[in-house]
Amino acid sequence: KQEVTQIPAALSVPEGENLVLNCSFTDSAIYNLQWFRQDPGKGLTSLLLIQSSQREQTSGRLNASLDKSSGRSTLYIAASQPGDSATYLCAVYGEKLTFGTGTRLTIIP
Amino acid sequence: DAGVIQSPRHEVTEMGQEVTLRCKPISGHNSLFWYRQTMMRGLELLIYFNNNVPIDDSGMPEDRFSAKMPNASFSTLKIQPSEPRDSAVYFCASTPTGPQQFFGPGTRLTVL
Repeated sequence: KQEVTQIPAALSVPEGENLVLNCSFTDSAIYNLQWFRQDPGKGLTSLLLIQSSQREQTSGRLNASLDKSSGRSTLYIAASQPGDSATYLCAVYGEKLTFGTGTRLTIIP
Repeated sequence: DAGVIQSPRHEVTEMGQEVTLRCKPISGHNSLFWYRQTMMRGLELLIYFNNNVPIDDSGMPEDRFSAKMPNASFSTLKIQPSEPRDSAVYFCASTPTGPQQFFGPGTRLTVL
């Protein structure tokens, strides 16, 4: 059974800093990995989708990497802003779609 | 496009009552997913449809849960009878061809 872990569960950083969020998964037989953000009381918004043949995807200040062999993905956020405060979830598409428990990010102005 | 539409946004009901959650996917999307989110278990996939046909319902927790998709623009998730442990936020998501999912705002269900 696929297990997806995100550590830390919560993270606070000052505005302007670069930061990395981590996602690890136990079964490397995956098709895709997707990063989402969830604002309080809202649904999920897709940020980046990495297909299994890719190693990274970039969108603006966000960069996501994927290392299937080690079962790890990272989401890099450059020059963080208060508007980046949200919960970030990774989701692994394998035999089943499995979500991580998320990292709650707070950017301190 | 208005995005994925879910109704109601909030539902409070008493144990034993029937609850019906509704979802309108984005027009043209081929697949529809129902999720449940709780603090304890995070986000769980309950069931998904492809071209209105249920493909995988292995995430449906019990027979009390049922889902239908009578046409490409409407789906329901029904809980009968509801129990307090069903309290959660239920999300619907749809996808065009390909894996990227678009989520609705969710329905917050409270069963007293």
